Order: sequence, then C-alpha cells, then structure tokens
Amino acid sequence: DIVVTQSPDSLAVSLGERATINCKSSRSVLYSSNNNNYLAWYQQKPRQPPKLLIYWASTRESGVPDRFSGSGSGTDFTLTISSLQAEDVAVYYCHQYYTTPYSFGQGTKLEIK
Amino acid sequence: EVQLVESGGGLVQPGGSLRLSCAASGFTFSSYWIHWVRQAPGKGLVWVSRINGDGTFTDYADSVKGRFTISRDNTQNTLYLQMNSLRAEDTAVYYCARAYGSGSSALKFWGQGALVTVSS
Repeated sequence: DIVVTQSPDSLAVSLGERATINCKSSRSVLYSSNNNNYLAWYQQKPRQPPKLLIYWASTRESGVPDRFSGSGSGTDFTLTISSLQAEDVAVYYCHQYYTTPYSFGQGTKLEIK
Repeated sequence: EVQLVESGGGLVQPGGSLRLSCAASGFTFSSYWIHWVRQAPGKGLVWVSRINGDGTFTDYADSVKGRFTISRDNTQNTLYLQMNSLRAEDTAVYYCARAYGSGSSALKFWGQGALVTVSS
C-alpha cells in the first residue's frame, strides 16, 4: 500500500503571505506511460465535504483561484497558496489515486497568524 | 448541476448492519466510477471502496473487505454501501464521491455525507 505523509500537520501564515504544504508518497505515483502524477489536493472547511483543488499534481480545478498551485513529481509534491486569504483557512489533504487502496495524507490545518 | 445525496446513516449497535444510499443527478450516472470515503470524527479522510460504471468491478479497503459491499442501480442512479458486522471503529461520516473521469482519477464531486455511529 502507498503511504502518503504531509508536512507540517499545522501551519499559521499571515494574510497575504505564502503558505506551503508538502506531501510525500512512499512510492512513485508517476505513471510512465502517460507521464501523469496520480496526485490530488483537496480543501476541507468545517462541516463541509472536501473540495477538489488540484489534480494530476498540478492541474487546477475549474473555478479554483490561481493563488493555489501544485507542483512536484514522483514521490514529492507541494501545494502552494501564493497570497493567503481569510477564506483559505481549512484543512488540506493530498491524495494518491495511482493504485488502490487509494490513500490520503493525514491533513494539514492552515490558520491565520 | 451534479448532485450526490447520501442517506441511511444512523445509530447502530456493534455487530449490526446498515445500508447507505447515494442518489446521483446531473450527470450520466452509468459512465462514472463512484467511491465511498469515510471520515471519523475529528480525523482524516479514508478511502473505503469503489465501483465502476456498470457495476462489474469493485474494490475495498482491507479494513472493510468481507464486511462491506458496494453496489449500484444504474436505472435508479443510486449507489449503495451495505455495511455488516459493524464495529465501533466504523463510526464516521461516509461520503460518496464521483471520479473525475474513467479509471483512476481524482474525486471531483462529493456528497454532504451520512453519519454512521456504531455504539451500544
């Protein structure tokens, strides 16, 4: 099974500053035949279901503000929020869908400093 | 507009059974893989199961294999999760989620979730 680990577990960033969340998978989620990384990022606010932000590691979902970006390949990935807004306070999860059992990171709680 | 609406959650005793439903609308239901993902109170997301568009392929997490059964009725645009031999550790909000596309893909649409509480 692929284990996905996020860092840090929590993060406090000032409004307008950059927030960076890391995600590491225990083995590569890059599928060589199509050169896609099977890695997604979700945002979850209290009492709401998760919301897809990024898929294929770096493709922003329609309607997601461009301050959100994803990068990385193979086993190491990053979600970056370029300029933190108050509405970005949430828990963020990375998710590998390379193989079942699908797995999620433990979550990173993002707060305002 | 894509909608996924879970129902059937509730309180059940350890060892008991419950069936969750997920009513889908706004897309061609039979064309998409659908998943169940759960979240214990205050905890993270855990993948539970998935089923392909015509219901011929299913997949489960080890923690539920042999106890849970995923199925779908494409004439009713409804997904099911039959949960047997429930344990306290199955207590969670259960979400149904539609894959982005075919095969392995991210989970684009999510329902609001159904709370299952296993307790005596």
